[in-house]
Amino acid sequence: EDQVTQSPEALRLQEGESSSLNCSYTVSGLRGLFWYRQDPGKGPEFLFTLYSAGEEKEKERLKATLTKKESFLHITAPKPEDSATYLCAVRSNDYKLSFGAGTTVTVRA
Amino acid sequence: DTGVSQNPRHKITKRGQNVTFRCDPISEHNRLYWYRQTLGQGPEFLTYFQNEAQLEKSRLLSDRFSAERPKGSFSTLEIQRTEQGDSAMYLCASSLPSGEQTRPNTGELFFGEGSRLTVL
Repeated sequence: EDQVTQSPEALRLQEGESSSLNCSYTVSGLRGLFWYRQDPGKGPEFLFTLYSAGEEKEKERLKATLTKKESFLHITAPKPEDSATYLCAVRSNDYKLSFGAGTTVTVRA
Repeated sequence: DTGVSQNPRHKITKRGQNVTFRCDPISEHNRLYWYRQTLGQGPEFLTYFQNEAQLEKSRLLSDRFSAERPKGSFSTLEIQRTEQGDSAMYLCASSLPSGEQTRPNTGELFFGEGSRLTVL
């Protein structure tokens, strides 16, 4: 069964203080690693898909990277609007995503 | 709005009552998923439809839960004889088949805003 572990559970940052979130995974044949952002009371919003080790994707202040065992989501010079829960998920078959518990990021002005 | 739509957004019910949630996926998506999310946890897979066929059900989906997708369009998730442990956010998502993705970031599921269930 696919397993996804995210750390830390919570991260408090000062505005402009860069940091990284970790997603470790165990899967029988990775067919995609996904990052989502979730605001309180809302559904997850898609950010990135990574397919192979060494791949990187960027969007504004966010950059996702992938190795054979883990993925990192780097937040560069975060702003308060980057406060959210960031979810990591893996796909090992044609359709289903298995999610981690998420990292809740709070950015203070 | 062309995103995934879920109704109702909030439902408060007493233990033992039945509840039903509806999901309208993005129109061209033939895949539809139900997930459940509790506070502080990530979404947990419940079930998956391809068109009208229910192809996988999680063991989390007890006999009190039933999902349908008549004619491969909207879907309903019914919970019978609700229990306090059923309190959660029920998320619906849809997607295209992976072979038909056209965007650079492909394979993703598009989620609705969720239906929050509180069982008293």
